[in-house]
Amino acid sequence: AQTVTQSQPEMSVQEAETVTLSCTYDTSESDYYLFWYKQPPSRQMILVIRQEAYKQQNATENRFSVNFQKAAKSFSLKISDSQLGDAAMYFCAYYSNFGNEKLTFGTGTRLTIIP
Amino acid sequence: DSGVTQTPKHLITATGQRVTLRCSPRSGDLSVYWYQQSLDQGLQFLIHYYNGEERAKGNILERFSAQQFPDLHSELNLSSLELGDSALYFCASSVGLGETETQYFGPGTRLLVL
Repeated sequence: AQTVTQSQPEMSVQEAETVTLSCTYDTSESDYYLFWYKQPPSRQMILVIRQEAYKQQNATENRFSVNFQKAAKSFSLKISDSQLGDAAMYFCAYYSNFGNEKLTFGTGTRLTIIP
Repeated sequence: DSGVTQTPKHLITATGQRVTLRCSPRSGDLSVYWYQQSLDQGLQFLIHYYNGEERAKGNILERFSAQQFPDLHSELNLSSLELGDSALYFCASSVGLGETETQYFGPGTRLLVL
């Protein structure tokens, strides 16, 4: 079964600085998708960024980018120019068509932005 | 706003009772997923429906059931409720089945069982 591990329960960063959240996963499949979701205090789950395993190029969405290392099964999220609105729980998630077509989530990292 | 709607937003009920949670997917999406978020179990997949048919089951209790209707909205039924069923229940939708699936989440229903 696929597993997703987020080893940093909490992180903090100074406003305008850069922070990297870590995620590792375990799978025997070669074709899958990885996601980062953000859950602010409102508890809404918001898609931040997505990466296809077959793509070598790291995904980027404005201030958010990933470092996808397929061989190492690592998928970290970098947030540049951190803003107060970035404060949230961040969940790494794995998806495969061969894994019950569901998202498997990590336990989350709580990100605090220091003004 | 993801385009996925869930009702009600909050639900408070007593042990032993039955509740129904409702989800309307984004326009055009055929797949609906249900997830449970609790403090001790994290985010857990419950069940997936595609165009009215059950596709996959996760850690869903026998006391729970779901269905997807012809208009593609879905309902999650929770019966014989226990204190441990208190959680945030999310519905997510995606276009269909395939290799480029991204799931968009609704705002969730917060269930409190007293």
